[in-house]
Amino acid sequence: AQSVTQLGSHVSVSEGALVLLRCNYSSSVPPYLFWYVQYPNQGLQLLLKYTSAATLVKGINGFEAEFKKSETSFHLTKPSAHMSDAAEYFCAVSGGSYIPTFGRGTSLIVHP
Amino acid sequence: DAGVIQSPRHEVTEMGQEVTLRCKPISGHDYLFWYRQTMMRGLELLIYFNNNVPIDDSGMPEDRFSAKMPNASFSTLKIQPSEPRDSAVYFCASRGTATYNEQFFGPGTRLTVL
Repeated sequence: AQSVTQLGSHVSVSEGALVLLRCNYSSSVPPYLFWYVQYPNQGLQLLLKYTSAATLVKGINGFEAEFKKSETSFHLTKPSAHMSDAAEYFCAVSGGSYIPTFGRGTSLIVHP
Repeated sequence: DAGVIQSPRHEVTEMGQEVTLRCKPISGHDYLFWYRQTMMRGLELLIYFNNNVPIDDSGMPEDRFSAKMPNASFSTLKIQPSEPRDSAVYFCASRGTATYNEQFFGPGTRLTVL
């Protein structure tokens, strides 16, 4: 069994501020973890993924996430928010079946 | 690569009508997924196929929903009869064994049932 919890349905930051989107997971096997981004009226696209290599994963657009097994977390960060980062972000986990379970999503709002 | 292609992008229909959504996965991908996204329920997996065979349809909400994959390059999701509560964005996604579990999503079909 696997599940994902994204803390906060909305996160609001100022342009230039740190972005932190939280994701906690549950998995009965070593997980694969993903962050996807969805811009308005578009499908989801992969930001980054953890597949049991380095625990700090770097993705596109300056985003990165750190896998912390002890905390069962995979939080997404970006040092400096840009207006173009405003979107919906989804955390997902997959285990032995390789079929991902998605979180409910977090809407990132960036203020000028 | 053209990516996952879905048609139509928007569909407006009246309650009781049949609706057919179409998907062309990325060439060479052997998994295909259908999702539904709503504000209330988020992103829900409806059904997925492996090598054109339906593997898990436990997410299909009712018998009114059916999905087929007659060949590796085409899949349909049909709703008959449609109801207003079926209004949502429906996504198709595909995945290949070489992409290490990454799913590639289509742009979605926004369905409105009046």
